[in-house]
Amino acid sequence: DTAVSQTPKYLVTQMGNDKSIKCEQNLGHDTMYWYKQDSKKFLKIMFSYNNKELIINETVPNRFSPKSPDKAHLNLHINSLELGDSAVYFCASSHTGQGNEQFFGPGTRLTVL
Amino acid sequence: AQRVTQPEKLLSVFKGAPVELKCNYSYSGSPELFWYVQYSRQRLQLLLRHISRESIKGFTADLNKGETSFHLKKPFAQEEDSAMYYCALSGGYGQNFVFGPGTRLSVLP
Repeated sequence: DTAVSQTPKYLVTQMGNDKSIKCEQNLGHDTMYWYKQDSKKFLKIMFSYNNKELIINETVPNRFSPKSPDKAHLNLHINSLELGDSAVYFCASSHTGQGNEQFFGPGTRLTVL
Repeated sequence: AQRVTQPEKLLSVFKGAPVELKCNYSYSGSPELFWYVQYSRQRLQLLLRHISRESIKGFTADLNKGETSFHLKKPFAQEEDSAMYYCALSGGYGQNFVFGPGTRLSVLP
């Protein structure tokens, strides 16, 4: 009955590879998000997406792309992985609108070698 | 532009001492302010939001629009309060959440 789940929990890969992280929510939310948490615990939003619009943080490289097969899923695809991509990636979801609580997934620790 | 600052990266207090985690923001409209907490090896979770005006786990936070602050306070810290605390701001529709850099609270026995 996990509200927001992510797979895999850990991901270790080589530079230059392409990888995906999956996210699913069963809360009936219509907006989903991806965040990156770096080694200093700084949390940065990467994307927010509902079925109407995608809001992209302009600092996110275009090697990162969200894919949403349906309202309950927002997967993160990363092409040509770089060392600096190593971080913990969190998925979150909420109802659309200002002030709605975001529910976070457990995080995926990505290590690029 | 939306911005949230938390001046302290690390705050250490002794058990039973009062604690205040500072948060300041900049936003031209009327924001919603939140505090999120991340305990060790756990996911982020909402601690409280300013519109609720509630006390959660003994923590309170008051929005001061004049000082653009939303400091988190607890009169008597407990060891289980040790965690990362993030202040966050939500602007209008279509705008993203913005999180502050976080403050690590360490409550010493």
